[in-house]
Formats: sequence, C-alpha cells, structure tokens
Amino acid sequence: EAQVTQNPRYLITVTGKKLTVTCSQNMNHEYMSWYRQDPGLGLRQIYYSMNVEVTDKGDVPEGYKVSRKEKRNFPLILESPSPNQTSLYFCASKSTNSPLHFGNGTRLTVT
Amino acid sequence: QKEVEQNSGPLSVPEGAIASLNCTYSDRGSQSFFWYRQYSGKSPELIMFIYSNGDKEDGRFTAQLNKASQYVSLLIRDSQPSDSATYLCAVLQYNFNKFYFGSGTKLNVKP
Repeated sequence: EAQVTQNPRYLITVTGKKLTVTCSQNMNHEYMSWYRQDPGLGLRQIYYSMNVEVTDKGDVPEGYKVSRKEKRNFPLILESPSPNQTSLYFCASKSTNSPLHFGNGTRLTVT
Repeated sequence: QKEVEQNSGPLSVPEGAIASLNCTYSDRGSQSFFWYRQYSGKSPELIMFIYSNGDKEDGRFTAQLNKASQYVSLLIRDSQPSDSATYLCAVLQYNFNKFYFGSGTKLNVKP
C-alpha cells in the first residue's frame, strides 16, 4: 500500500530534550516536506526536500533540523524542544505530477 | 497578508443542500490549486485539484477556478453529515517547491 509513515503518533517530552520524528514513504517520491498545524494558523511548512541531500527552509524553520540521506526517509529533528513547538506535525511527499500525500501526523507536547 | 485566505466558518448547511467553500490567494504566479478534507485530529486527504480556469467536476464535488480574480471554490452537492470536516485550500506556486495552505473552513452538515 502506498503510504507515508510517521512515528511516533504521540510524543510528550520536556524542554531541551532532543527528539526525532521519523518519516518514510514507499512511493519513490522525490519531494518530501514537513508541516506543523496550529489552531487558526493552518498548515505551515517547516522544511522541504527536492531530492536526496537537497533540503531547504520553509516558512517556519527555526528550532528544527532535517536530513535527506535516503530518498524514502526525511526525519525531523528538534535539538532543544521548547513549549512553543507543541503542535501537530505532518510529513508529506509528492512526485512531479502528483498532489501531496500526507502521513498520519505526530502530536507533540513539550512541557 | 496571508498567501491563502479562507473563511474559518463554521459553515452550517442542512443535509442534501449545496455547500459552497471559498478561497482567495495572493500570488498570481500560482499554478495549481487543491482542496483537502481534514477530520479532527486526522491527516488531510485530497478531494480535488484544478489547474485551469473553469469548473472541474468529480462526483458530488465541483472545483471552480478564476485566475483573474485569484479565487478558487469548492461546491459539495447533496451534502451528507459525513462531509462535516474542515476543508483546506492549498496553492502550489510556480517553482513547484512551496505549498501554501489556508487555515481551513469548518463545515457542519446537519441531518
């Protein structure tokens, strides 16, 4: 089944404790992206990647890192999480001629 | 000014009626337009996409695009309670790198 898989689905952590949210897609998509969703603000792009070893900042990249060492994986790294990063996170992927396909989301709470 | 604007709603319609959802965008260079449906706590799922001016129909759904007015809409005919969700308008800009999402319109279909 074609899908984008994120893990974990739920994560509660404390300020400053490094964490990684994984994202994997099995559709051989070149493009992958991370979004955060907050009430009233909609989906905002954090980082995106056009292909392996190519990443670029979205609209809200501060406090996040990403890497794209393999085509299928695009992890999101929070080196020192803060409470303002509490949000619902979505990974998404697409090929050149397709719309975005979203993962199931990761609900992160930073206390 | 936000890239993509939507009325947050809620928009309430009776079962069987036509629901009309609207979206405006600011960048005239935008090429592709998408409507996603999102149930609470779930990931967005694609309903329709449209690239050219005019109407595009798929079952009960019709997307309408007017590039001169920078306006895109979604009509849902014969609305069902299961259509109750938040509808996200998304715009892909000319370089195919960035999607911009509206904050969504919440639709309530009353039985």
